[in-house]
Amino acid sequence: EIVLTQSPGTLSLSPGERATLSCRASQSVRSDYLTWYQQKPGQAPRLLIYAASIRATGVPDRFSGSVSGTDFTLTISGLEPEDFAVYYCQQFAASPSRYTFGQGTKLEIK
Amino acid sequence: QVQLQESGPGLVKPSGTLSLTCAVSGDSISSITWWSWVRQPPEKGLEWIGQIDDSGSTSYNSSLQSRVTISIDKSKKQLSLKLASVTAADTAVYYCTRHSGFSFPTWGPGTLVTVSS
Repeated sequence: EIVLTQSPGTLSLSPGERATLSCRASQSVRSDYLTWYQQKPGQAPRLLIYAASIRATGVPDRFSGSVSGTDFTLTISGLEPEDFAVYYCQQFAASPSRYTFGQGTKLEIK
Repeated sequence: QVQLQESGPGLVKPSGTLSLTCAVSGDSISSITWWSWVRQPPEKGLEWIGQIDDSGSTSYNSSLQSRVTISIDKSKKQLSLKLASVTAADTAVYYCTRHSGFSFPTWGPGTLVTVSS
């Protein structure tokens, strides 16, 4: 089973700064199977990035995703106050179908 | 635009069965899509429980497979989850989701289920 490890666990930054969140897979993951979500307290997760680098509808272009081997990165350029939340990566594996999430990165205001 | 709404008992006794439904509005439940349940224990991360497609074919998380049943009622536009033999570890917010690919674009608001005597 593929394990996704997110780092750091908590990231403390100020508005306007750049955030770099990592999601490392324990084995190879197809790029089109990797997704990023944002979750705010008391809310359901919100899809941000799918297929590793494609922004979902309505997601600001300060959010971007990239991949290098088994390392996936979510970058937020120029943090806005509403960006402080928990971010999860998620992957899909076939045969049988299964979905796993990373443990999350909390992005907090410094 | 599709909307999802979970409902069910907020309190379940240990060893009992957790039963939730998800009402679907704004879309046909017969379109080519999948429907999943995801849960989140308090202050913890997300865990996929299982999915069902429009033909009724299911896939479950191997860690829960022996206790989980997901079903779909197209006439009622409703998705159901049953989780048997619950313990305190099953206390969580339970979400239903709709997806047609490898990610979850549409979520219900979630419902908290507490397992306690």
